[in-house]
Amino acid sequence: DAGVIQSPRHEVTEMGQEVTLRCKPISGHNSLFWYRQTMMRGLELLIYFNNNVPIDDSGMPEDRFSAKMPNASFSTLKIQPSEPRDSAVYFCANQYSQGGAEAFFGQGTRLTVV
Amino acid sequence: AQSVAQPEDQVNVAEGNPLTVKCTYSVSGNPYLFWYVQYPNRGLQFLLKYITGDNLVKGSYGFEAEFNKSQTSFHLKKPSALVSDSALYFCAAYSGYSTLTFGKGTMLLVSP
Repeated sequence: DAGVIQSPRHEVTEMGQEVTLRCKPISGHNSLFWYRQTMMRGLELLIYFNNNVPIDDSGMPEDRFSAKMPNASFSTLKIQPSEPRDSAVYFCANQYSQGGAEAFFGQGTRLTVV
Repeated sequence: AQSVAQPEDQVNVAEGNPLTVKCTYSVSGNPYLFWYVQYPNRGLQFLLKYITGDNLVKGSYGFEAEFNKSQTSFHLKKPSALVSDSALYFCAAYSGYSTLTFGKGTMLLVSP
């Protein structure tokens, strides 16, 4: 298995543009998390899916952020419109949610909004 | 509400010396506990975990961690630090009643 795959690895966009980050989870791992990491705030949980259903989106900063998981093989995090303060590294993590299994992280997408 | 605390923003240790990175947790039920490491420009990598059984668990790269139920702690340890161990370390926890929660991270700096 190739692990959790995120794309793109780097994204530079202008303020106001729409940004879509993508995640391909590990087959059979039924919990998926989106995190944002910045120097100021550290690692923040944005949203958590279990069996493709959003369970907790309390970490989503505002309505400009949305996340979907249309099936077990794909998830997206969208920012529309993007702002400079959204600049961060966004991680997707994937876990089999039973029995103490660990989570696996993708390599992250470094987003820069100018 | 559950939480994971890493009281030190940074830990400095000389190469060859033992290291400890501290973690305490608060979760409902029996905890599953984890340590992850993050190198620059990389994602978090799993190091080790405690589910049940022996309180001392061993993981990758010579790291180990000790589960202490009475102190609700899960400190990461290594007998002899390497310069290449310098990285950001995260403690995490969850239980059958909660989802995965991470601490804020501790930067480990090992000097030559």
